[in-house]
Amino acid sequence: QVQLVESGGGVVQPGRSLRLSCAASGLTFTSHGFHWVRQAPGKGLEWVADIWYDGSQKYYADSVKGRFTISRDNSKNTLYLQMNSLRAEDTAVYYCARDRARAVLDSWGQGTPVTVSS
Amino acid sequence: DIQMTQSPSSLSASVGDRVTITCQASQDISNYLNWYQQKPGKAPNLLIYDASNLETGVPSRFSGSGFGTHFTFTISSLQPEDIGTYYCQQHDNLPRVTFGPGTKVDIK
Repeated sequence: QVQLVESGGGVVQPGRSLRLSCAASGLTFTSHGFHWVRQAPGKGLEWVADIWYDGSQKYYADSVKGRFTISRDNSKNTLYLQMNSLRAEDTAVYYCARDRARAVLDSWGQGTPVTVSS
Repeated sequence: DIQMTQSPSSLSASVGDRVTITCQASQDISNYLNWYQQKPGKAPNLLIYDASNLETGVPSRFSGSGFGTHFTFTISSLQPEDIGTYYCQQHDNLPRVTFGPGTKVDIK
């Protein structure tokens, strides 16, 4: 059974940094790409970033490009999202999701909340 | 970027009713359209992929159809456990995945 468990969320001041982790189990981690998707309070889903199975390609939403970095450690079955220069509008629950094929997101973590506030 | 719209934004229906949600893409996305259900306080869950394929384990009362720019999602007989918000998602214009704004479904 696929399990994705996010961690690392919390309350942070504007301009500071935070790193999210997503630990995967029950799957062949190196066979899949992964995505980060976020959801601001009371709002819909917003795609944030994705990374290929081998880490060779990474893509970002315009809203986070240049501030966020997606990465993975295939030896630890873990996905990361390094978030720098955080803004109030980055406040959201952040989900990691497995890409089964061509951005069909078939397994999701429970989410980790990030609040950017002074 | 491809824009996705959904209608209605919310609906209230009785148990056993047939419920239909529409999703429109701003340009042709072939059949690269997925549907997700999000129950309150939970992560999204994939229900339908590539417009009309039912995800394994998902009840058969859920179905999807459409091609190009116009898609529909149907619950043939609404159940109390179907309460939540439903999102469409295009995966044609990769890597830029985009979601629709969501349709909130309630029981009348």
